[in-house]
Amino acid sequence: QQPVQSPQAVILREGEDAVINCSSSKALYSVHWYRQKHGEAPVFLMILLKGGEQKGHDKISASFNEKKQQSSLYLTASQLSYSGTYFCGTEKTSYDKVIFGPGTSLSVIP
Amino acid sequence: EAGVVQSPRYKIIEKKQPVAFWCNPISGHNTLYWYLQNLGQGPELLIRYENEEAVDDSQLPKDRFSAERLKGVDSTLKIQPAELGDSAVYLCASSPGRLGEQFFGPGTRLTVL
Repeated sequence: QQPVQSPQAVILREGEDAVINCSSSKALYSVHWYRQKHGEAPVFLMILLKGGEQKGHDKISASFNEKKQQSSLYLTASQLSYSGTYFCGTEKTSYDKVIFGPGTSLSVIP
Repeated sequence: EAGVVQSPRYKIIEKKQPVAFWCNPISGHNTLYWYLQNLGQGPELLIRYENEEAVDDSQLPKDRFSAERLKGVDSTLKIQPAELGDSAVYLCASSPGRLGEQFFGPGTRLTVL
C-alpha cells in the first residue's frame, strides 16, 4: 500500500525551513528518502530503520516514529539546490519491496 | 565510479510495436530493479533481480512485458506489443545487496503514439 506524503507541494525562500511527512497505514520496517530533480534520476538521501536513530546529512535530517508509522524529513536553511521532488519509500519487512509515495514538490526561490 | 547506464534515453513508437530497454548496473551490484514512473508519481517496481534470478515480478504485466538478466549483469526489459498507456519513464536501479541505497539510472522516456 502506497504511503501518503504531505504536503503535495511547498514553496520556500532561501534560508527557510521545511518539513515533509510520510505516513503509512501499515507497520513499517524502514523508510527511504530520495530527491529527484526535473528530468533526472532519483538520488538517495537516507534510510531509517526500525529501532534506528534519527539520521542527518548536512542540513537535511529525518526521523522515524515506528508507533505512528510516520517519518518526517527536515530541511533547514534551505538552499536553491534543494529544489526537486522528494519521495519517501516504505518497506513493511526486511524482505519486502520498497513502495514509493507520490512525492512532494519543493521549490526554493531566491 | 560509473553510474547505472540506460539506453535509449528516449523512444517514440507506434502502438502495437515492440520496444526494448537496456540497463547496465554499477559493477558489483547484485540487485537490479526495473521501475515505471508516470508523470507526477513515484517509481513503481516492475521486477527485482538478485543476480540472475527474478525474485519479485508480481507487478510485471506478463502478458506484454518480459525481462531478463543474463549472467547477472546487464538487463533488458521488453514490451510487446506496446499500448498507449505504456507511455512513461522506465527507470533501472541497482544496489550492492538486498537492503540499502538504490542507485538509479537516468531512465528511458517512452512515448507510444
